[in-house]
Amino acid sequence: GQNIDQPTEMTATEGAIVQINCTYQTSGFNGLFWYQQHAGEAPTFLSYNVLDGLEEKGRFSSFLSRSKGYSYLLLKELQMKDSASYLCAVLDSNYQLIWGAGTKLIIKP
Amino acid sequence: GAVVSQHPSWVICKSGTSVKIECRSLDFQATTMFWYRQFPKQSLMLMATSNEGSKATYEQGVEKDKFLINHASLTLSTLTVTSAHPEDSSFYICSAREGGETYEQYFGPGTRLTVT
Repeated sequence: GQNIDQPTEMTATEGAIVQINCTYQTSGFNGLFWYQQHAGEAPTFLSYNVLDGLEEKGRFSSFLSRSKGYSYLLLKELQMKDSASYLCAVLDSNYQLIWGAGTKLIIKP
Repeated sequence: GAVVSQHPSWVICKSGTSVKIECRSLDFQATTMFWYRQFPKQSLMLMATSNEGSKATYEQGVEKDKFLINHASLTLSTLTVTSAHPEDSSFYICSAREGGETYEQYFGPGTRLTVT
C-alpha cells in the first residue's frame, strides 16, 4: 500500500529552527510537495522536490532523498504566523497526489 | 500566481436539501480539478478527480450519486451534495491543476458546509 508518515505535532520557539520530517512508501515517485495549512483555511503551496538535495526558498527549505524515501521541511527564524499544519504529499506513478496526515506546528513565544 | 475561487465560503442547509459548491480557476485553464473533504484535525481526503468534459473519477467509498461533480469548462467545476445529512457537514476544498508538465495543485479557499 501507499504510506506517508509525518509527526502529528511539533512545538518550537519563536526565532528558532524546526525540521519536519516525512517518510514515504508509494507506488512510483514523481515528486514531493510541501503545503502549509492554517486552521480553517485551504492549503498553500510551499515547495516541490523531484531531485535529491536541498531547495531553499527564503526562511523555508525542503530536502529530498529518493533512495531513502525521505524528505524534510526546514523552517528558520520561526514566527508566530508559522503556526499551522504542514502537509507532505507525494505524486505517485499515476501522477496522483498521496497526502500525509499533516504535522501541526505550534510556535511558542 | 494561479488563483482558484470557491463559492460559497460557508453554507448552512437543512437535512434533505441539496447544496451546490462552485470552484473556478480565475487566471488559468484547469484541465483537472480535484474535490477534497476535510474533517477537523484530519488531513485532506480526496473525493474525486474530474477532467474537463468527462465524468469524474470517484475514490473508493465516495457515493457518486450523492456527490455530483460536473466539470463543464476549463475554468469551472461544481460539486453538488444531494439530500444532505448532518454527517455530510465538513470542510470541502477544491483544487485545480493546469496540466502538461505542471503537477502542482492550486487550492480554493474551501467551503464549510453545516447540515442541520
